[in-house]
Amino acid sequence: AQSVTQPDIHITVSEGASLELRCNYSYGATPYLFWYVQSPGQGLQLLLKYFSGDTLVQGIKGFEAEFKRSQSSFNLRKPSVHWSDAAEYFCEAPSGGSYIPTFGRGTSLIVHP
Amino acid sequence: NAGVMQNPRHLVRRRGQEARLRCSPMKGHSHVYWYRQLPEEGLKFMVYLQKENIIDESGMPKERFSAEFPKEGPSILRIQQVVRGDSAAYFCASSSTENTGELFFGEGSRLTVL
Repeated sequence: AQSVTQPDIHITVSEGASLELRCNYSYGATPYLFWYVQSPGQGLQLLLKYFSGDTLVQGIKGFEAEFKRSQSSFNLRKPSVHWSDAAEYFCEAPSGGSYIPTFGRGTSLIVHP
Repeated sequence: NAGVMQNPRHLVRRRGQEARLRCSPMKGHSHVYWYRQLPEEGLKFMVYLQKENIIDESGMPKERFSAEFPKEGPSILRIQQVVRGDSAAYFCASSSTENTGELFFGEGSRLTVL
């Protein structure tokens, strides 16, 4: 079964600095991969998705992610973080015969002024 | 805006009472997923439903929890005889297909058990 790992529970960056959030998946075939963002008290919102093709995908709010099959990774990046990016970020991939969307435990992003 | 609608947003129950959480998926979506989120934890899958069918309930406790998605009306997640450990945020998500994994989320129902 697919598993999704986000090794960093908390990440702290200064406003304007670059950001990379890590996501690793365990699955043989090329999976579908997603990043979502959750603001406090809200549901999750899709940032970007990878299905196939170009391994660098662009998303909303200036985010991008790169699929690296050799590293089983799908890391999320942003060149310059804004204070409003402070939120919880979740990596997701379908798992199992029912293609259940399976989430990593999330990474909490803290942005210092 | 026909987004995913969940209600109630907040629900307080005493131990032993029943909690019913409702979810109306996005228009045209026939796949509904329920997740539970606890503080400092990620989203834990509970159950996957299509209209009138439970497709996968492997994440749902065998006792006290049930879910349905009738032909007409919202999906319901029902928790009987609630205990303090049931306190959590419960999120519903819908999708238009079963295997792309792209989900549209409601804002969640936050259950507090006193």
